[in-house]
Amino acid sequence: EAGVAQSPRYKIIEKRQSVAFWCNPISGHATLYWYQQILGQGPKLLIQFQNNGVVDDSQLPKDRFSAERLKGVDSTLKIQPAKLEDSAVYLCASSLGVGRESADTQYFGPGTRLTVL
Amino acid sequence: AQSVAQPEDQVNVAEGNPLTVKCTYSVSGNPYLFWYVQYPNRGLQFLLKYITGDNLVKGSYGFEAEFNKSQTSFHLKKPSALVSDSALYFCAVRDYTNAGKSTFGDGTTLTVKP
Repeated sequence: EAGVAQSPRYKIIEKRQSVAFWCNPISGHATLYWYQQILGQGPKLLIQFQNNGVVDDSQLPKDRFSAERLKGVDSTLKIQPAKLEDSAVYLCASSLGVGRESADTQYFGPGTRLTVL
Repeated sequence: AQSVAQPEDQVNVAEGNPLTVKCTYSVSGNPYLFWYVQYPNRGLQFLLKYITGDNLVKGSYGFEAEFNKSQTSFHLKKPSALVSDSALYFCAVRDYTNAGKSTFGDGTTLTVKP
């Protein structure tokens, strides 16, 4: 079974530029998550989708971050404009996810390491 | 608000010795608890989870964890450490009364020396 795919693996940009990350979840997984992992910290949930609807985006900085999951499959996370403090690893995860009471396991992709100069 | 604490940034053990990586949590409802491991330049890998039932949960690679409701803890354990267990370990709590939102601890680096 193929895992969660993410691209690119690494990205270096200047501050105020824009960047986009792509995620393809495991086939059949209804729930998709984007996390931000700053060096030395645990992953922080940015946004959670169930199919193509948003379940939680309370920690997404909506003035600069946006995400979409068209057709309920793959997803794109965008930052515009980027700030120095956005330097982090952006992790995508997916799970079978059949509702908020689900305790299903999240499967993580390898992440995209973003450096903002 | 839910939270997870991993009180030790680093744990060092000798190969063959037992290991414990500590985790405490705070959540308003009944928790789902998870342990993940992260190797360099790789995403998180699932180790084990507690949902309900037996307080001792067994997972991948010989790891186990004990859920203690009174102490709100979920410590990760292994009877005999291997050098290959050296990695970064994350504890996470999921509150199903809060749309299933996951909160992760800041991680504990485990180093197993030969």
